[in-house]
Amino acid sequence: GESVGLHLPTLSVQEGDNSIINCAYSNSASDYFIWYKQESGKGPQFIIDIRSNMDKRQGQRVTVLLNKTVKHLSLQIAATQPGDSAVYFCAVLSPGGKLIFGQGTELSVKP
Amino acid sequence: NAGVTQTPKFQVLKTGQSMTLQCAQDMNHEYMSWYRQDPGMGLRLIHYSVGAGITDQGEVPNGYNVSRSTTEDFPLRLLSAAPSQTSVYFCASSPRTDQYYGYTFGSGTRLTVV
Repeated sequence: GESVGLHLPTLSVQEGDNSIINCAYSNSASDYFIWYKQESGKGPQFIIDIRSNMDKRQGQRVTVLLNKTVKHLSLQIAATQPGDSAVYFCAVLSPGGKLIFGQGTELSVKP
Repeated sequence: NAGVTQTPKFQVLKTGQSMTLQCAQDMNHEYMSWYRQDPGMGLRLIHYSVGAGITDQGEVPNGYNVSRSTTEDFPLRLLSAAPSQTSVYFCASSPRTDQYYGYTFGSGTRLTVV
């Protein structure tokens, strides 16, 4: 079955620095790779996704990189702000609509 | 457009009781899923559905039943509640993958089984 893992459970960065959160997956047949942000007491919020036929996708202050050779996914946040403090999850969507989450990385931004 | 609506927001059950967690979406999404999230953990998939009348098991289906009689509704039934089912439950919906733009999550139901 699909498994999704993250490399670090916590990450602390200085305000204004760039953040990089990593994720590994096992299923090569995955359709989409997605990053979610979850703030305390709330449901996950979609940040950005990337389709399996792409290597890189950019959004506002965020970039997702996909390396299918080593089955690795990363989320880069530029100029990290205190409002970026949250738990970040990677998730993998199969062609059949099954969305599997990784464990999450808690990002703390120091002022 | 309310998005994904979950009810109730909080619930306390006694061991052995049954109940249904409600989930409704008004976005005409074909895909719907139920997750549970334990403290400090990621979200684990319980059951999911790719359309009315079609459901399938996720990672942790035991102790839960689902049905999908309409596109809008996807209730989750706890057959005989156990303390191990104490968790926060999230429902989510999405268009099918050829129109995909991300699953939308509800605000969650916090369930305590005593």
